[in-house]
Amino acid sequence: GNSVTQMEGPVTLSEEAFLTINCTYTATGYPSLFWYVQYPGEGLQLLLKATKADDKGSNKGFEATYRKETTSFHLEKGSVQVSDSAVYFCALAYFNKFYFGSGTKLNVKP
Amino acid sequence: EAQVTQNPRYLITVTGKKLTVTCSQNMNHEYMSWYRQDPGLGLRQIYYSMNVEVTDKGDVPEGYKVSRKEKRNFPLILESPSPNQTSLYFCASSFRGAIGTGELFFGEGSRLTVL
Repeated sequence: GNSVTQMEGPVTLSEEAFLTINCTYTATGYPSLFWYVQYPGEGLQLLLKATKADDKGSNKGFEATYRKETTSFHLEKGSVQVSDSAVYFCALAYFNKFYFGSGTKLNVKP
Repeated sequence: EAQVTQNPRYLITVTGKKLTVTCSQNMNHEYMSWYRQDPGLGLRQIYYSMNVEVTDKGDVPEGYKVSRKEKRNFPLILESPSPNQTSLYFCASSFRGAIGTGELFFGEGSRLTVL
């Protein structure tokens, strides 16, 4: 079946630190991959996406590369800000269905 | 303003009392879906709809019903709620052609407690 596994949180970083949140997936075919972000009290918002192998998604300084050989889609940011504090979800879409990871809470301290 | 609106936002109910959570979108999206969010489990898809009168099960459909009589509305029905359906529920929508790009638009969520 299809599933997404992402690293447990919370992750606590100081401002300007480097961020990596690991995500691996299992899929029966060739899914599209995404990172969503959820701010407190809000619904999820699409952060970035990659629709085929070796694609790199990027947005707001965040990046993730679709690695088919390692079935991974790790999220990275070179310098986090306090405003990046949120819950991050890795997800895949395959044939009209979406599968989300369990979410990783990021706390960024000034 | 483009949005997905869910109601109610908060609800406390008792076991067995039928309830409906409404979802409405004003973007003329074909695709709509429901999710539940539980600690440690992330979001799990309950049902989705590709268009009017076309619905299909997601990963966790047991105990839920949906209908899609109009393009803008996709209500989630709990015929006989049980405490294990206590959760945070999200509705989301998308253009059909954008499903593979993951461009889901989410509502703000409905927190349901079943006693």
